Amino acid sequence: RKEVEQDPGPFNVPEGATVAFNCTYSNSASQSFFWYRQDCRKEPKLLMSVYSSGNEDGRFTAQLNRASQYISLLIRDSKLSDSATYLCVVNGARAGGSYIPTFGRGTSLIVHP
Amino acid sequence: GAVVSQHPSRVICKSGTSVKIECRSLDFQATTMFWYRQFPKKSLMLMATSNEGSKATYEQGVEKDKFLINHASLTLSTLTVTSAHPEDSSFYICSARDRATGNQPQHFGDGTRLSIL
Repeated sequence: RKEVEQDPGPFNVPEGATVAFNCTYSNSASQSFFWYRQDCRKEPKLLMSVYSSGNEDGRFTAQLNRASQYISLLIRDSKLSDSATYLCVVNGARAGGSYIPTFGRGTSLIVHP
Repeated sequence: GAVVSQHPSRVICKSGTSVKIECRSLDFQATTMFWYRQFPKKSLMLMATSNEGSKATYEQGVEKDKFLINHASLTLSTLTVTSAHPEDSSFYICSARDRATGNQPQHFGDGTRLSIL
């Protein structure tokens, strides 16, 4: 089983739609969680951190379920500019006490007019 | 916000050349930096974790003699691809985190596209 799993998609949605992505992780000792966005041939950019209580930033809502070991990202009122690959990142504990980020393979979102 | 600068953004060179890529944190001190490579339409693959003042920790399958990492200061880490060959052509990205604990998100450089002819 991969450490971090995401459905690669693509998710093809019309403008204005609501779309949700899930990400599961295998390391129960994982400490912190993030969603990044990566545009084609560009570096990943931090979209939002994911907190235990859930958090919202404008049209984006992130949730964490530690018991089931998954995180989610909800995008409301999708815009054309939301088209990108969304990467789930989990900081997992390694021997020695360090926390190493592990990326999911990303979920591709295509928003069409 | 946190800014990470990576240089050069694009390299094209002959097989057998060694290529050095720099990663700098511009407005924070990066105790930990990460080096990734990414092939087209594939996920980011962590190559190594670089901690200031100590040897890098390489992921399984990554040749440390091939990919030399130096993290001599809190704001600079370098990756040298030694004797590069066409199969080393890829998108190399660094990221930096300003604390050694796991709570902080990492911030990415712009990446370096390496093409070996």
